[in-house]
Order: sequence, then structure tokens, then C-alpha cells
Amino acid sequence: DIQLTQSPSFLSASVGDRVTIACRASQGINNYLVWYQRKPGKAPKLLVYGASTLETGVPPRFSGSGSGTEFTLTISSLQPEDLATYYCQQVTDFPLTFGGGTKVEIK
Amino acid sequence: EVQLVQSGAEVKKPGESLKISCKASGYNFATYWIGWVRQMPGESLEWMALIYPADSETKYNPSFQGQVTISADKSISTAYLQWSSLKASDTAMYYCARRPVAPDCFDPWGQGTLVTVSS
Repeated sequence: DIQLTQSPSFLSASVGDRVTIACRASQGINNYLVWYQRKPGKAPKLLVYGASTLETGVPPRFSGSGSGTEFTLTISSLQPEDLATYYCQQVTDFPLTFGGGTKVEIK
Repeated sequence: EVQLVQSGAEVKKPGESLKISCKASGYNFATYWIGWVRQMPGESLEWMALIYPADSETKYNPSFQGQVTISADKSISTAYLQWSSLKASDTAMYYCARRPVAPDCFDPWGQGTLVTVSS
């Protein structure tokens, strides 16, 4: 199975801060990496697919990058509505797997 | 609008059976893979199974093979996840999600069904 390790598991930042979440794969997955946002009490929502393509309607302060085994999700200027847990997922091989999640708190 | 609407919360006893549902609308249900994802309390997301409703081809995460059964009824655009004998460790939130071919991802997701198994 392909393991995805996210870091950090928790972060607290202020409104306007630049936030970076990392996702490391246990083996190369090209760019078959997806990012989701799960707000409290809500279902996960697609943010980024293909490692770097922003889903339609997602604010441009979100961006994804990386290829192979190292990926990042960046929020360029954190907003109060970004309070959520963020998950990465690999879609290149079965079983499909998710990272452990990064909970983002607003200071 | 593509939408997945799941059945309501369930409270069951160990050993009981259960079937939860996910009704799709806004797209051709038969020609997209649809799957289930588990989230246990305080834990991350785990992919469980996928089904292609047009021919009922299924793919299971080995961790869940034999523990659950995925099915679909394309005549009513509904996917199902069922257990024959629940355990306390099945207590979790279960999400259904569509898996398009392109882009390759899960989108959208259902609102979730909370399953509580307790004696």
C-alpha cells in the first residue's frame, strides 16, 4: 500500500498568514495527488486534483504543488473560513489511501 | 447539479445487519464509479470500496474485503453499503463519493451517515 504522511498534523496561524501543509508519499505517485478540505460537521470538499489543478470555485489563495513523492498545499493568506482539516489522497494505485489530515486552527 | 444524498443516522446492536444508501442525482449514475469512505472517531479517512453501476464491477480495499458489501441499483441511481453482522468497531461516519475518470478524485461527497454500534 502507498502510505501518505502529512505534516504537521495540527497548526495554528493568524488571519493573513501563509500556511503550508506537506504530504509525502511512500513511493512515487507522479502527480496523482488530490487535496480535500473538511470543515467541521461537513463532508469533504475537493480543493486540488492532479497535484496542482485548482477545482473550479476554489479561492485562488489555495495552491498545490509537487510531483513524485513530495507535495504541498499552500494557503497564501489564511482566512477565518479556512478553519478545517485538510487531507491528501493518492489515486494512482489500489488501495486508494489518504493522509492522516492536518487540522488548521485560526489564532 | 451533481448531488449525493445519504440515508440517516443509525444506531444498532452488535451482531445486527445494516444497509445504508446513497442516492445520486444530476448525472448518469451508471457510468461513474461510486464508492464509500469511512472515518472513525478522531481518525483519518479510509477508502473502503468502489462500484461501477453499469456492470456492477467492484473494487475493495483488502482491509474491508469480506467485512462489507457494496452494491448499486442503477434503476433508482442508488448505491449501498451493507454489513451482515455489525461490530462495535464499525462505529464511524460513512461517506459516499463519486469517482470521475477525469479528473481522478472523489467529487462530490455525500453528507455522511453516522453509524453507531453499541450494546
